[in-house]
Amino acid sequence: EVQLVESGGGLVQPGGSLRLSCAASGFTFSSYWMHWVRQAPGKGLVWVSRINSDGSTTSYADSVKGRFTISRDNAKNTLYLQMNSLRAEDTAVYFCARASSTSCYYWGQGTLVTVSS
Amino acid sequence: QSALTQPASVSGSPGQSITISCTGTSSDVGGYNYVSWYQQHPGKAPKLMIYDVSNRPSGVSNRFSGSKSGNTASLTISGLQAEDEADYYCSSYTTSSNVVFGGGTKLTVL
Repeated sequence: EVQLVESGGGLVQPGGSLRLSCAASGFTFSSYWMHWVRQAPGKGLVWVSRINSDGSTTSYADSVKGRFTISRDNAKNTLYLQMNSLRAEDTAVYFCARASSTSCYYWGQGTLVTVSS
Repeated sequence: QSALTQPASVSGSPGQSITISCTGTSSDVGGYNYVSWYQQHPGKAPKLMIYDVSNRPSGVSNRFSGSKSGNTASLTISGLQAEDEADYYCSSYTTSSNVVFGGGTKLTVL
């Protein structure tokens, strides 16, 4: 069974940093692209970033480019999102997802990031 | 990258069919056969319902179907059931090698 479990969310002050993790199991993690998608409270889904299977190719939404970094450790079956220079508008539930083609095929349950002073 | 355009809400009675549209541009929906649809119930993670315009993942009911014409993709749900009431989102691959979502559509089953 595919499982994706996010962690690392919490309360952080504006300008601060946070690193999210996504522990994967039930599939060959090193074979799949992975995504991060976020959802602000009461709002819609917003794509954040994706990374290819070996970590050599990444892409980002314009709203996070230069502030967020996606990475992965295939030996640990873990996906990461390093978030720097956080803003109030980054407050959201962050989901990791396993890709299939360009879709987000399997999703984790999400971790809440709150940016507030 | 602007979000894809979806109607804010649609509704239908049990047993009826409804269609949700998703309008983009030639740089996303119109340029690739990489449109996906997701269902999200309140407080839950999204679930993939359609990928690559019209393909259903294993386990998804054949009451759900997808199509595309030009810059507009559509999700059709036939034989509406109470459990179909949820938010639905489309997404598309883009020329920037990114992904963009629609704003979401709330489906109400009357």
